[in-house]
Amino acid sequence: TQLLEQSPQFLSIQEGENLTVYCNSSSVFSSLQWYRQEPGEGPVLLVTVVTGGEVKKLKRLTFQFGDARKDSSLHITAAQPGDTGLYLCAGLRSSNTGKLIFGQGTTLQVKP
Amino acid sequence: GAGVSQTPSNKVTEKGKYVELRCDPISGHTALYWYRQSLGQGPEFLIYFQGTGAADDSGLPNDRFFAVRPEGSVSTLKIQRTERGDSAVYLCASSLTGGSDTQYFGPGTRLTVL
Repeated sequence: TQLLEQSPQFLSIQEGENLTVYCNSSSVFSSLQWYRQEPGEGPVLLVTVVTGGEVKKLKRLTFQFGDARKDSSLHITAAQPGDTGLYLCAGLRSSNTGKLIFGQGTTLQVKP
Repeated sequence: GAGVSQTPSNKVTEKGKYVELRCDPISGHTALYWYRQSLGQGPEFLIYFQGTGAADDSGLPNDRFFAVRPEGSVSTLKIQRTERGDSAVYLCASSLTGGSDTQYFGPGTRLTVL
């Protein structure tokens, strides 16, 4: 059973287009994180959202945490080839241990 | 300082063999995590160490998997009687004190069981 459903799984777009990746769950998380992973490397943290309804921006990336803390989205504006990679959402159920529950990931390809 | 390092980067073994995967966390980090990432999937939690003790091993799939961290720094993930289904990338992460602290991931060990 996948606690975090991420969609779409694959996305291939042209440079300059906008895109949104969704991360949904029926469970409540104390926080939700977004990572980016390059081939042959471990995931690297992009952002953590903690409060329901919270919106964070990182240059052309906008992250939102749902009001009920069950879902999140990542929006990229004017995608660049350098944005190509695997994007992962991960939820933290309990802040006691740090055990992360990951979604399946979204593979993004941005063509020049 | 140096990040999380994992050795070997690649390991090919035959079904039924024993393997050990090593993780060197960031110096001073008391929390250490092992995750497993199968092809096309997100990482799955295996085990969490706080210091020398395994605080949460609920993700270990069966008793063929075991992990240790005897001095509270380096950790070794041990897999006995490997099966083809164990093939995956094994990721290690460390954080300063655990909980909601940022986890820093190593590059992983790609294990292939033939």
